[in-house]
Amino acid sequence: EAQVTQNPRYLITVTGKKLTVTCSQNMNHEYMSWYRQDPGLGLRQIYYSMNVEVTDKGDVPEGYKVSRKEKRNFPLILESPSPNQTSLYFCASSRDRANYGYTFGSGTRLTVV
Amino acid sequence: KNQVEQSPQSLIILEGKNCTLQCNYTVSPFSNLRWYKQDTGRGPVSLTIMTFSENTKSNGRYTATLDADTKQSSLHITASQLSDSASYICVVEDGGDYKLSFGAGTTVTVRA
Repeated sequence: EAQVTQNPRYLITVTGKKLTVTCSQNMNHEYMSWYRQDPGLGLRQIYYSMNVEVTDKGDVPEGYKVSRKEKRNFPLILESPSPNQTSLYFCASSRDRANYGYTFGSGTRLTVV
Repeated sequence: KNQVEQSPQSLIILEGKNCTLQCNYTVSPFSNLRWYKQDTGRGPVSLTIMTFSENTKSNGRYTATLDADTKQSSLHITASQLSDSASYICVVEDGGDYKLSFGAGTTVTVRA
């Protein structure tokens, strides 16, 4: 089944403790992206990647890092999480952004206390 | 700044009835407009994609319209079902940098 898999689904952590949210897609998509979703704000892009070893900042990149060492994986790294990073995170991938839709993962609900 | 505004914020309808959701945008240059359905606790799922030259597109009981001149779109749900209860998100792609601008969504609740 074609899908984007995120792990974990739920995570509660403490301020300052480094964490990684994994994202993997099995569709050989070149484009991958991370978003956060907060009530009343809609999804906002954190980082995106056009291909292996090519990443760029989205609209809200502060406090996040990403890497794209292989095509299928695009992990999101929070080096020192803070409470304002409490949010619902989505990873998405696309074969051709102009002509095809995005496939989203099921989301990771992160709480930083 | 590119913006996407959706209305209403939420609505409740009876099963079997129709409803229409609105989306206004300021994104320019325009590439395409997408409607997504997001069930609670799940990722968004694509319903329709429309480019500049398309003014209507259907996916089952969902029909999206686009007026690129007035920068407005609507999503019409026909003969609603309980499974239509979800958040519906309007997304507009910038034709210059291909970035997506997301609306905050309209939460639809269908009651029996």
